[in-house]
Amino acid sequence: DSGVTQTPKHLITATGQRVTLRCSPRSGDLSVYWYQQSLDQGLQFLIQYYNGEERAKGNILERFSAQQFPDLHSELNLSSLELGDSALYFCASSVRVTSGGYNEQFFGPGTRLTVL
Amino acid sequence: QQPVQSPQAVILREGEDAVINCSSSKALYSVHWYRQKHGEAPVFLMILLKGGEQKGHDKISASFNEKKQQSSLYLTASQLSYSGTYFCGTELSTSGTYKYIFGTGTRLKVLA
Repeated sequence: DSGVTQTPKHLITATGQRVTLRCSPRSGDLSVYWYQQSLDQGLQFLIQYYNGEERAKGNILERFSAQQFPDLHSELNLSSLELGDSALYFCASSVRVTSGGYNEQFFGPGTRLTVL
Repeated sequence: QQPVQSPQAVILREGEDAVINCSSSKALYSVHWYRQKHGEAPVFLMILLKGGEQKGHDKISASFNEKKQQSSLYLTASQLSYSGTYFCGTELSTSGTYKYIFGTGTRLKVLA
């Protein structure tokens, strides 16, 4: 158990809908990262927040947005869902802002999103 | 831009050794290695920070050659528990913006 929690575990929805994925980082961790992993694919970095501020951005679609709240939990919002958005979405947390690689990331169990 | 890992997949017998390579077309300042078992979250193995640095973790060690923009993960006397997909990762910085890139992955299967 990494200490990172994600809810829900599974989510099934229809195309065009909007969903919210939630992540609670490990106690004391200020950074939250979101990743997308499609079936048998690698990890695609979406976005990182540090202490409530966006710090790094990957190939995140405009239909996707995220935020980190004062209590440090984070939400990833996915809207106008398409079949291709079906994937495993991981949240990870680390203690400090990444600089020079000091950022061991602890991954949550993931949310499996299925868009029908 | 995504680091390329080789081999893509490898099958071993318990007790055999394996090497997984990670090559980047961009300059690497640090390399992270993770292992992901099927259906589970990635788990951190180690970070390498300097050119030529080597680290070890039980019977898993890694090297990092900053000049060659390569890292290698060495699995010695493999155990059944080593099975999974191994990813290298790094942080890229462009004009003050950051993003994280993971490699293409290497599937490793250890047989009894």
